[in-house]
Amino acid sequence: LAKTTQPISMDSYEGQEVNITCSHNNIATNDYITWYQQFPSQGPRFIIQGYKTKVTNEVASLFIPADRKSSTLSLPRVSLSDTAVYYCLVGDEPISSGSARQLTFGSGTQLTVLP
Amino acid sequence: GAGVSQSPSNKVTEKGKDVELRCDPISGHTALYWYRQSLGQGLEFLIYFQGNSAPDKSGLPSDRFSAERTGGSVSTLTIQRTQQEDSAVYLCASSFAGGNSPLHFGNGTRLTVT
Repeated sequence: LAKTTQPISMDSYEGQEVNITCSHNNIATNDYITWYQQFPSQGPRFIIQGYKTKVTNEVASLFIPADRKSSTLSLPRVSLSDTAVYYCLVGDEPISSGSARQLTFGSGTQLTVLP
Repeated sequence: GAGVSQSPSNKVTEKGKDVELRCDPISGHTALYWYRQSLGQGLEFLIYFQGNSAPDKSGLPSDRFSAERTGGSVSTLTIQRTQQEDSAVYLCASSFAGGNSPLHFGNGTRLTVT
């Protein structure tokens, strides 16, 4: 299983750019990197997914170095409403392996945006 | 379109009773997952369905836990003889099969065993 390591918590101020890094040293060739956001009393919500280099959507950017042993979620100009837990998930489509255990979420990073 | 729907949203039960939790996935999603989240913790994988079959039940914590999926759609997670340590939020997610499709989660069922 590709175990992930993230900071437990981060604080930021409104309007700043926030970068959350996830380490996944034993990522496998077929593994994708997916980030989710979770607000209290809600299920996680998909933010962004990538395999290598850089991916950008309307919400965030994802930077993945060539060795793919880490990834960085970048949130531009955060607001108070971005306060949430952010999860990095590394895994392969379970159909190819039969096991979904590798779709295992780590403890996540609690991001607190301050006014 | 409708997202993943879970019911009930809250359930309080007495220790020793059986409970049944329901998940209605997004139409067309063939993969379905159950996770458990204890207060302030990450998500613990329970079981995965592809269609009606469950190729991976490895996360079920004990034989008191079982799950089924019928018609490739609705799934139920049953906990027999509930214990206080079963108290948690039970989350269901669904996705398309293939291509590392992102998981779409419901808002969970908060189970409290008294």
